Amino acid sequence: KAGVTQTPRYLIKTRGQQVTLSCSPISGHRSVSWYQQTPGQGLQFLFEYFSETQRNKGNFPGRFSGRQFSNSRSEMNVSTLELGDSALYLCASSLVGSSYEQYFGPGTRLTVT
Amino acid sequence: AQKVTQAQTEISVVEKEDVTLDCVYETRDTTYYLFWYKQPPSGELVFLIRRNSFDEQNEISGRYSWNFQKSTSSFNFTITASQVVDSAVYFCALSGDYKLSFGAGTTVTVRA
Repeated sequence: KAGVTQTPRYLIKTRGQQVTLSCSPISGHRSVSWYQQTPGQGLQFLFEYFSETQRNKGNFPGRFSGRQFSNSRSEMNVSTLELGDSALYLCASSLVGSSYEQYFGPGTRLTVT
Repeated sequence: AQKVTQAQTEISVVEKEDVTLDCVYETRDTTYYLFWYKQPPSGELVFLIRRNSFDEQNEISGRYSWNFQKSTSSFNFTITASQVVDSAVYFCALSGDYKLSFGAGTTVTVRA
């Protein structure tokens, strides 16, 4: 069974631009979560989707948004990029939610210059 | 609010030594799940174990073992006879509100 895939793996953007990251969960998994990892703040929860519905959102500004499609694939978007948005963005999938094993993708490394 | 504390920032051992990683958590939920993940230098988080709050039995998987003590809100992880390949950052996490709350992580370095 294929694992969680994330595209692109690396991105370099300029302040003020916007970016869209994509995540394809493991086949059969309906829950997708996103996390931001930085050296200073560690792993922080961004949002979780199940069957196209956002069930929880972390403490991030409105510039961070996401969505889930009917095939469970998910995208997250960051608008008006700031230097502090440079991070590793990790996507995780699970059968129905965080109480079950969450399997993580390789991440997208975003660098904002 | 949920909170996970991993007091050890870094641990360095020589190969074949045992290493224990501490994890203390806070939650108001009566039912919850605890996890350990490994993040090798490649960056991908690798699932190691999931334990629910009603199961306090210790678990062993090869060289890995976990000690869950609800009375002290701890879920500690031991690597027996460590190997160089065990070098990684290890995260303890707690589920709730459709998310995982992670500890800050413990960097384990195993020297040959």
